[in-house]
Amino acid sequence: QVQLVESGGGVVQPGRSLRLSCAASGFIFSAYDMHWVRQAPGKGLEWVAVVPFDETDKYYTDSVKGRFTISRDNSKNTLYLQMNNLRPEDTAVYYCAKDGAMTFDVWGQGTMVTVSS
Amino acid sequence: DVVMTQSPLSLPVTLGQPASISCRSSQSLAYNDGNTYLNWFQQRPGQSPRRLIYKVSDRDSGVPDRFSGSGSGTDFTLKISRVEAEDVGVYYCMQGTHWPYTFGQGTKLEIK
Repeated sequence: QVQLVESGGGVVQPGRSLRLSCAASGFIFSAYDMHWVRQAPGKGLEWVAVVPFDETDKYYTDSVKGRFTISRDNSKNTLYLQMNNLRPEDTAVYYCAKDGAMTFDVWGQGTMVTVSS
Repeated sequence: DVVMTQSPLSLPVTLGQPASISCRSSQSLAYNDGNTYLNWFQQRPGQSPRRLIYKVSDRDSGVPDRFSGSGSGTDFTLKISRVEAEDVGVYYCMQGTHWPYTFGQGTKLEIK
């Protein structure tokens, strides 16, 4: 079945880096745009970044521009989020989500990132 | 960015009774292909979000028919005809018509 499995979360000090991964299965990964969405503790959902199926024209929410980089490896069916210069306000559960034409039709289980000294 | 405003933010409901959540957008969500890309997601406690409804009123596979979506333009509604215990959680509307996609604040449904 269609599945997304995130990994790479953890506790990190402010200013440090972390790379998240999302392993996809059950669908043709290379045919779909992919997103990262995050949820701070006790808060709502916030879209973070998108990478098109062919890795052109990546987009980011303003608060992470210049610090986060979204990428993908279609040969490995894997989505990535490189997070540099992390801030306490980046603390959240990070979900990868499959684009289903102007919607998110499949979500992973999420991976927790905690930025704290 | 399009602002999505949900109400109420908290919704206590008696089992078996109906529930309704409103979602309003700051711009029309009608797209030039004739579709309106308004979605509803359910997030049960401790779980990741799950899509219930897309394009205003299309139910995802496996979603009980007690869930229904309606609306047009800037005004949308998610209705649950008879609330069951498994419906407890937070419900989010999300628009996909305008870039970037944006979510409502969420409505927490609880059993009275």
